[in-house]
Amino acid sequence: DIQMTQSPSTLSASVGDRVTITCRASQSISSWLAWYQQKPGKAPKLLIYKASTLESGVPLRFSGSGSGTEFTLTISSLQPDDFATYYCQQYNNYWTFGQGTKVEIK
Amino acid sequence: EVQLLESGGGLVQPGGSLRLSCAASGFTFSSYAMTWVRQAPGKGLEWISAMSDSGTPYADSVKGRFTISRDNSKNTLYLQMNSLRGEDTAIYYCATATFERSEAGRKFYFDSWGQGTLVTVSS
Repeated sequence: DIQMTQSPSTLSASVGDRVTITCRASQSISSWLAWYQQKPGKAPKLLIYKASTLESGVPLRFSGSGSGTEFTLTISSLQPDDFATYYCQQYNNYWTFGQGTKVEIK
Repeated sequence: EVQLLESGGGLVQPGGSLRLSCAASGFTFSSYAMTWVRQAPGKGLEWISAMSDSGTPYADSVKGRFTISRDNSKNTLYLQMNSLRGEDTAIYYCATATFERSEAGRKFYFDSWGQGTLVTVSS
């Protein structure tokens, strides 16, 4: 099974900050990685797929990069609506999610 | 607009059964692979099953106990859950699975999600 590890688990930031979340796979997954945003009491929302392709309607301040085993999600300028939990997911071999990164207000 | 509406959750005793439904609208349901993902209270996301024309894989945690199925005439996805355990307590989400082609075959990610239905397994 492919394991996904996110860091940090919690991130405290202010509006306007540049935020980076890292996701590592236990083996190479090429670029078959997605990022999701989840707010309390809501379903996850797809942000990025194939490591760096922005889902339609997602703000351009979100970007993804990486391939192989190391990936990053970057929010260029954190907005009030961005405080949420973010999950990475590999879809190279079945599906595995990272444990999540909670972005909270500093 | 894609809409997915889960139902069928509730309180069930350990060892019991429950069938979840996911009613789909706003897209050609029969053309899409579908999946179930769950989230235990305060925990992360766990993929549990999927259904495409390639097959119906299951996570080890539910294999042999859960069965995914669909009725394209009713635009509905199902999850039959048997021999339920306390660790199955979670919100269950259905989602559409969209694929990209690769040299190693199709790769599916989950793009549209329902709002979820809560399953509580407790005596």
